[in-house]
Amino acid sequence: KAGVTQTPRYLIKTRGQQVTLSCSPISGHRSVSWYQQTPGQGLQFLFEYFSETQRNKGNFPGRFSGRQFSNSRSEMNVSTLELGDSALYLCASSLGAQGNQETQYFGPGTRLLVL
Amino acid sequence: AQSVTQLGSHVSVSEGALVLLRCNYSSSVPPYLFWYVQYPNQGLQLLLKYTSAATLVKGINGFEAEFKKSETSFHLTKPSAHMSDAAEYFCAVSPSGGTALIFGKGTTLSVSS
Repeated sequence: KAGVTQTPRYLIKTRGQQVTLSCSPISGHRSVSWYQQTPGQGLQFLFEYFSETQRNKGNFPGRFSGRQFSNSRSEMNVSTLELGDSALYLCASSLGAQGNQETQYFGPGTRLLVL
Repeated sequence: AQSVTQLGSHVSVSEGALVLLRCNYSSSVPPYLFWYVQYPNQGLQLLLKYTSAATLVKGINGFEAEFKKSETSFHLTKPSAHMSDAAEYFCAVSPSGGTALIFGKGTTLSVSS
């Protein structure tokens, strides 16, 4: 099976712009989670989508949003970019059965640089 | 709130030496615990996970971890380090088995010849 893919791999934006990142999960996986990784804050959970619905949300401002399509592909959007949004954004997919502690498989990430 | 503490942001060992990466968690209920590895410019790869089936968990690449409830620890070990083990290692906890993982700050492992 193909792994989790994320596009684009690298992105440069300027402050105030918005950006959309894409994640394609492993075939058959219905859950997609997003994480932000920065040197200062480490890895932080953004949100999780399951069957096109947001099922869980981390502690991030409303500028961070996401959605999931019927084929389980997910997009993440950040509006009004700030310098502090520069980070590696990782997505992870799993089958999606809650409380059963499935393994999450991570993609290679999208590295976003905000100038 | 649950949290994870990784002691030592950087650990250096010689090739063939024991690897010990420390992880302590805070949780009021039995947690689900994980160790992930991240190589430069790559995503995270699962090394092993604890889900209460056994306290000693064996993972990939010769790594294992022991869950010690009395010490709230889940330290990662490998008997003999290899150069290819050089990477960043993350301990994570999952509240109530959900997908929102809480990660430690990470430990960078350096292996010298």
